[in-house]
Amino acid sequence: GAGVSQSPSNKVTEKGKDVELRCDPISGHTALYWYRQSLGQGLEFLIYFQGNSAPDKSGLPSDRFSAERTGGSVSTLTIQRTQQEDSAVYLCASSALFAGNTEAFFGQGTRLTVV
Amino acid sequence: SQQGEEDPQALSIQEGENATMNCSYKTSINNLQWYRQNSGRGLVHLILIRSNEREKHSGRLRVTLDTSKKSSSLLITASRAADTASYFCATVPFFSGGYNKLIFGAGTRLAVHP
Repeated sequence: GAGVSQSPSNKVTEKGKDVELRCDPISGHTALYWYRQSLGQGLEFLIYFQGNSAPDKSGLPSDRFSAERTGGSVSTLTIQRTQQEDSAVYLCASSALFAGNTEAFFGQGTRLTVV
Repeated sequence: SQQGEEDPQALSIQEGENATMNCSYKTSINNLQWYRQNSGRGLVHLILIRSNEREKHSGRLRVTLDTSKKSSSLLITASRAADTASYFCATVPFFSGGYNKLIFGAGTRLAVHP
C-alpha cells in the first residue's frame, strides 16, 4: 500500500475485554514496530518484527500483551483483559530491510480507550 | 526507558522567528532522527543524521549532532503557523542489533502564532 495502515482508528472497550489492533505495513517493508504513546508523552517501544519473527519483545509491558505477524506483512497486537492504564494511542511503523540508517514510516495509530 | 530528552518541553514563538529544539541522549548511537507529530497521531520523518555527520539541512530545517556531548539540535528557520506540532528526536542505539529500534524522547510542543 501507499502507507502504513492501522485499524481501527479508535476503539473504546470495557475493562477486562480483549482487543485486537491491526497494522498493514508498506509493501516490501520487512521490519515492523509497535509503539505506545500515552497522552502528552513520548513513544514507548513495544515490539519489533523482522519478517514473521520478533527478535525484540522487550517493550511489551505484561503477558497480557502479545503480537504476531503473518506472511511477513500484516501484524496484530492483542491486549487481553484490558485495564484502564492500557488507554493510549498505539502506533505501528515499518521500515526497509537492514534499516539501520533509514527512516521509519508510521501509521496514524489506534486510539484505545478502556472504560 | 527513554533515550532522548528534548528541551524545551514547550516553545511558543511568532511567525517568522526561528525555533530551536534540543535533544540529549545517553548511549552511543548509529543515527539520530527527528520526527514531527500533528494532533497526537501519526509521525512524519523530518531528517536523519548519522553518527559520523555533524550537520544536515533540509529546506528550512537544520540539524546538528555533537556525539561528544551526546546532543542534537533542530532549527526551524522562518517559522510558519503550519509548523505548529510536537517534535521528537529518536535515536537508534549503536548496539540495537542492526535494526531501526527508535528510542524516542518526550518531545517539544511548538506553537507558532500568526
